[in-house]
Amino acid sequence: EDKVVQSPLSLVVHEGDTVTLNCSYEVTNFRSLLWYKQEKKAPTFLFMLTSSGIEKKSGRLSSILDKKELFSILNITATQTGDSAIYLCAGVTNSGYALNFGKGTSLLVTP
Amino acid sequence: DTGVSQNPRHKITKRGQNVTFRCDPISEHNRLYWYRQTLGQGPEFLTYFQNEAQLEKSRLLSDRFSAERPKGSFSTLEIQRTEQGDSAMYLCASSRTPRTDEYEQYFGPGTRLTVT
Repeated sequence: EDKVVQSPLSLVVHEGDTVTLNCSYEVTNFRSLLWYKQEKKAPTFLFMLTSSGIEKKSGRLSSILDKKELFSILNITATQTGDSAIYLCAGVTNSGYALNFGKGTSLLVTP
Repeated sequence: DTGVSQNPRHKITKRGQNVTFRCDPISEHNRLYWYRQTLGQGPEFLTYFQNEAQLEKSRLLSDRFSAERPKGSFSTLEIQRTEQGDSAMYLCASSRTPRTDEYEQYFGPGTRLTVT
């Protein structure tokens, strides 16, 4: 059975800290891994990673995929209170329809 | 707003009643997905449509659940004879048919169902 595991499940940091969120996966016919940010409503898309070792970056957020070790990390530097959210990762297979989500990491950034 | 929209945003119903939710995808997206999310969990896949055809259903989708996308545009998700265990956030997402690496799905705000 396909499995996506995120760690830690929750994290509290101070503004300005750097955080690393982890996602390991076992997905049959794996194609890509996606990261989403979920505040009080719908998940919003952050990154999609398909190739190993290529970092994707957007402002203070960056992410990388290791297809040999079957994991991905999401880094957030110089955290702000607006980064407080649940961060979800999801694997997608070659068929490209169902996203298989982990439980998420709940991040709280305190002032 | 050209994002995915869902109605209603909240629904409270008594056990045993039927409920129906609606999702309007991003207009140029031909794929539409339904997910269910409970507290402390990530979204769980329920079903998806390519245009008007329902191509996959999760085993989570019991006989009490039915989804339609009659003209390949909006979709409805109906739950018959609701149970307390159906209480959850129901999320709709849409995407283009993936080519190369276009797998990202765009989510609506969800319908929060509470069954009392």
